[in-house]
Amino acid sequence: GENVEQHPSTLSVQEGDSAVIKCTYSDSASNYFPWYKQELGKGPQLIIDIRSNVGEKKDQRIAVTLNKTAKHFSLHITETQPEDSAVYFCAAPRGYSSASKIIFGSGTRLSIRP
Amino acid sequence: DTAVSQTPKYLVTQMGNDKSIKCEQNLGHDTMYWYKQDSKKFLKIMFSYNNKELIINETVPNRFSPKSPDKAHLNLHINSLELGDSAVYFCASSQHLGEKLFFGSGTQLSVL
Repeated sequence: GENVEQHPSTLSVQEGDSAVIKCTYSDSASNYFPWYKQELGKGPQLIIDIRSNVGEKKDQRIAVTLNKTAKHFSLHITETQPEDSAVYFCAAPRGYSSASKIIFGSGTRLSIRP
Repeated sequence: DTAVSQTPKYLVTQMGNDKSIKCEQNLGHDTMYWYKQDSKKFLKIMFSYNNKELIINETVPNRFSPKSPDKAHLNLHINSLELGDSAVYFCASSQHLGEKLFFGSGTQLSVL
């Protein structure tokens, strides 16, 4: 989606295992990388974000890593639970601050198998 | 209290009709947005307003006209609806442009 590439499009993992979703971006000026979770029938909700001055951020079972040189960032979910099943979106800003817009990846549908 | 609320949640209408979707945020944010989510879940920005001023206007047909009467409201009016307009439309807000987005629960538009 407009220079934010996200993989995989679908992911199925056994409950308790880890899940990893990867994104790449093209705008080297991007400095803010959020991840959103969208549950069925709801709007996306921010679950974690990272700024370009750090390489990793963790919040309980969720972590995000950033490689600015390679323009990659990833979402890691450990000890997955049924309620982690949802569509996950990475995003990155594009454009100058006066007209910056958040561009979303194409989404990953995560399914947790019991 | 819902932070970003949009109405209606569902909208079913005939081709050629004109319809509006309303959005309100009570977060005191400066910036509001409209996003369109298609059947493949792809989220694409349509418009962004900052303090009632249009700052982002993506390649959207001019049948779509946003209106922001004040900082807390951003409505979307669609003229001459087409089949391809069927999608889920999300309103969102953020404190400043390009920062954390707070989304509404979406309006599922079905054009028959």
